[in-house]
Amino acid sequence: GAGVSQSPSNKVTEKGKDVELRCDPISGHTALYWYRQSLGQGLEFLIYFQGNSAPDKSGLPSDRFSAERTGGSVSTLTIQRTQQEDSAVYLCASRFTGAVETQYFGPGTRLLVL
Amino acid sequence: DQQVKQNSPSLSVQEGRISILNCDYTNSMFDYFLWYKKYPAEGPTFLISISSIKDKNEDGRFTVFLNKSAKHLSLHIVPSQPGDSAVYFCAASAAGGKLQFGAGTQVVVTP
Repeated sequence: GAGVSQSPSNKVTEKGKDVELRCDPISGHTALYWYRQSLGQGLEFLIYFQGNSAPDKSGLPSDRFSAERTGGSVSTLTIQRTQQEDSAVYLCASRFTGAVETQYFGPGTRLLVL
Repeated sequence: DQQVKQNSPSLSVQEGRISILNCDYTNSMFDYFLWYKKYPAEGPTFLISISSIKDKNEDGRFTVFLNKSAKHLSLHIVPSQPGDSAVYFCAASAAGGKLQFGAGTQVVVTP
């Protein structure tokens, strides 16, 4: 498929455990973004990677959250010592750097922290 | 600090009629605006966008209007179809950076 893919689609974990969420962007897209949508809330920016530049981490809610992007393609969002308030849908988007600025979203990972 | 606002949480419209969704923003640095459609349990699907240098963009049944002086944009869907029932998000970005989203408008198209 040519779209953004994310895995797992659903994740249930216990409070205090670490989780890793994966994003495969559209091939050739150099910009990658993570957002989340908590229940009843809007979409909230987390982190943004653009090529080899330092990522914009301004949206990460705490130091328990981190993300990396290896080889300019796949990205992993890691949440350490998960809390119940981390329960949300985590969405990844990618964008081709150029005149078109549209971000295309993956289906999301639904995280439930018990 | 909500920089993008959708003040109507819901909209009900009859099939075949026009749906008008509104969005206001406060940040004058925004230079690109987008509308996304979202079904439950799916990621947002891109619908249509507009650059700040334009005031209108049309794609099939969807038209987006931008009024920079009023910091207001709207999405027109005509004619509305049952498959248009979804949550619509307005979003804005500056210089290709992160998107700021509105809270969304739930559209219900009735037969």
